Amino acid sequence: KNQVEQSPQSLIILEGKNCTLQCNYTVSPFSNLRWYKQDTGRGPVSLTIMTFSENTKSNGRYTATLDADTKQSSLHITASQLSDSASYICVVSAMFSGGYNKLIFGAGTRLAVHP
Amino acid sequence: DGGITQSPKYLFRKEGQNVTLSCEQNLNHDAMYWYRQDPGQGLRLIYYSQIVNDFQKGDIAEGYSVSREKKESFPLTVTSAQKNPTAFYLCASSLDPNSYEQYFGPGTRLTVT
Repeated sequence: KNQVEQSPQSLIILEGKNCTLQCNYTVSPFSNLRWYKQDTGRGPVSLTIMTFSENTKSNGRYTATLDADTKQSSLHITASQLSDSASYICVVSAMFSGGYNKLIFGAGTRLAVHP
Repeated sequence: DGGITQSPKYLFRKEGQNVTLSCEQNLNHDAMYWYRQDPGQGLRLIYYSQIVNDFQKGDIAEGYSVSREKKESFPLTVTSAQKNPTAFYLCASSLDPNSYEQYFGPGTRLTVT
């Protein structure tokens, strides 16, 4: 069964601190993995996207890693800001016959950054 | 949110009534999608459309219907057959069905009492 599991479910950190969010997946055939940021009551916005051959990608203070062998990804946030408070969703894409790209979503990690 | 708009942002309905959620995009994307988001769960695909006048059921299509008469519009109707319709509904689009990137709208929160 195609699944994406994220941990922790929620996290509270102080402003300026770093944190790492985890994503484990069992998706086949794997196409790519992306991290989205979703503010409360808003649509998700893409942070990074990685294909099978990429093992790290950065977007400002966000750095994503991918280990395709262990089927794990992490999102590291450096020097957190209050505006980082949001849900972070790991999404794995499976490419099926006919070229259809199906997305499997994790439940997300809810991050709260406190002053 | 890119060039995708959803309206209204909040919607309230009585049980037994059908309701239609609007989704419009000006990105000239071929593919459009409807997802449902519930607390503690990942987004689940309701319906998707790869091209005008064509659409396919997703993982949880029961109790929902869609149409794709125009490239830029993909309305979702939540019918009275949907047993638990209260949820946050997200519309997305991509350049084509093979595209890596899906762009999401701001969402509509539907409450049925």
